[in-house]
Amino acid sequence: NAGVTQTPKFRVLKTGQSMTLLCAQDMNHEYMYWYRQDPGMGLRLIHYSVGEGTTAKGEVPDGYNVSRLKKQNFLLGLESAAPSQTSVYFCASSYGLVKYFGPGTRLTVT
Amino acid sequence: GNSVTQMEGPVTLSEEAFLTINCTYTATGYPSLFWYVQYPGEGLQLLLKATKADDKGSNKGFEATYRKETTSFHLEKGSVQVSDSAVYFCASIQDTGRRALTFGSGTRLQVQP
Repeated sequence: NAGVTQTPKFRVLKTGQSMTLLCAQDMNHEYMYWYRQDPGMGLRLIHYSVGEGTTAKGEVPDGYNVSRLKKQNFLLGLESAAPSQTSVYFCASSYGLVKYFGPGTRLTVT
Repeated sequence: GNSVTQMEGPVTLSEEAFLTINCTYTATGYPSLFWYVQYPGEGLQLLLKATKADDKGSNKGFEATYRKETTSFHLEKGSVQVSDSAVYFCASIQDTGRRALTFGSGTRLQVQP
């Protein structure tokens, strides 16, 4: 039981490049989330999903897209990266109120 | 909307000292409240939670009581250890539809031997 895993762990992009972050969970959870963590700001919700095939916007969705084609996977895409998207990205899943977080992806956009 | 405010850090304590990290929330109803901990280089882990007024969450010697009157959920520990050094996040869930956490800004705790 791996819990929540994230790929990759680190990435450096140039402005304008695109990439996809993968989140996978093996707990059969319906709800999944993408957060970004910036210094002094806690974690902010980017997008979330309440089940396979569904996605919805969170607090800071601009510049990101997501897909939930399979229940166990939640993908976060950056179509044209900007330096403002330099951050640590955390994925989480939940069944009830308790969230289970992945180890994070540190993304730097130069 | 709802928000969570917690004390700024870093908080630096000596081993065996008493810890308090203040957290207050704003909400239109009665949210569920949480403390999460993030150890260096890791993701967040649930430390404790409380889902209704006067509930006390506890785990690993940490405690927090849901105070509706003061809209607070302060984290306390009687005797901290070096291994408690981490960043602590207070968080709430109000929207039971999406069940998304609203986080405070985090408080870094450094415990010195």
